[in-house]
Amino acid sequence: EELLVESGGLLAQPGGSLRLSCAASGFPFRSYEMNWVRQAPGRGLEWVSYISESGSPIYYADSVKGRFIISRDNAKNLLYLQMNSLRVDDTAVYYCARNHDDGDAFDLWGQGTMVTVSS
Amino acid sequence: SYVLTQPPSVSVAPGQTATITCGGNNIGSKSVHWYQQKPGQAPVMVIYYDYARPSGIPERFSGSNSGNTATLTISRVEAGDEADYYCQVWDSSSYHLGVFGTGTKVTVL
Repeated sequence: EELLVESGGLLAQPGGSLRLSCAASGFPFRSYEMNWVRQAPGRGLEWVSYISESGSPIYYADSVKGRFIISRDNAKNLLYLQMNSLRVDDTAVYYCARNHDDGDAFDLWGQGTMVTVSS
Repeated sequence: SYVLTQPPSVSVAPGQTATITCGGNNIGSKSVHWYQQKPGQAPVMVIYYDYARPSGIPERFSGSNSGNTATLTISRVEAGDEADYYCQVWDSSSYHLGVFGTGTKVTVL
């Protein structure tokens, strides 16, 4: 079974840092482009970041550019999101999502991990 | 930045047809994907590349895309179709960005 499992979501203070992880299994992780997507409480979906199969290129939403860093370890089947300079409006459920092998649809999602930024 | 606009809500009786629109500037030139999200669950892709259906998605779900509007149609609506639906495109016009629509809550009466 193809699975994505996120972890690392916590309560963090404004200005703090967190690292999220996404463990992939059941498919050749190194062959797929990956993304992070978030959803603030009661709000819609917001794309956060993209990383290619090899780790380059990488793209970010304007709302996180310069603060978040996406990376991957293909040997360990892990996707990461390093979140720095956290703000209250970063509070959301964070999902990792796999690109469909024909392009830019998100065909596999994890269950999400909750990040709360509050003092 | 590229904006996708959806109606906030659509109500439909069981057995009838639900139509959800996704408006964007010349969206017909882009590939549109659709996701279903039920409360407390992760999104699930129901249509990709305008009209393709992933395996396991009922034939009742169909999509189209032309001009400034993409459409997700759910035929013979069932109670289990009640959910939020989001359209999505990849915008490569100036930078590479994933863009989601504002979302539509489908209520089955």
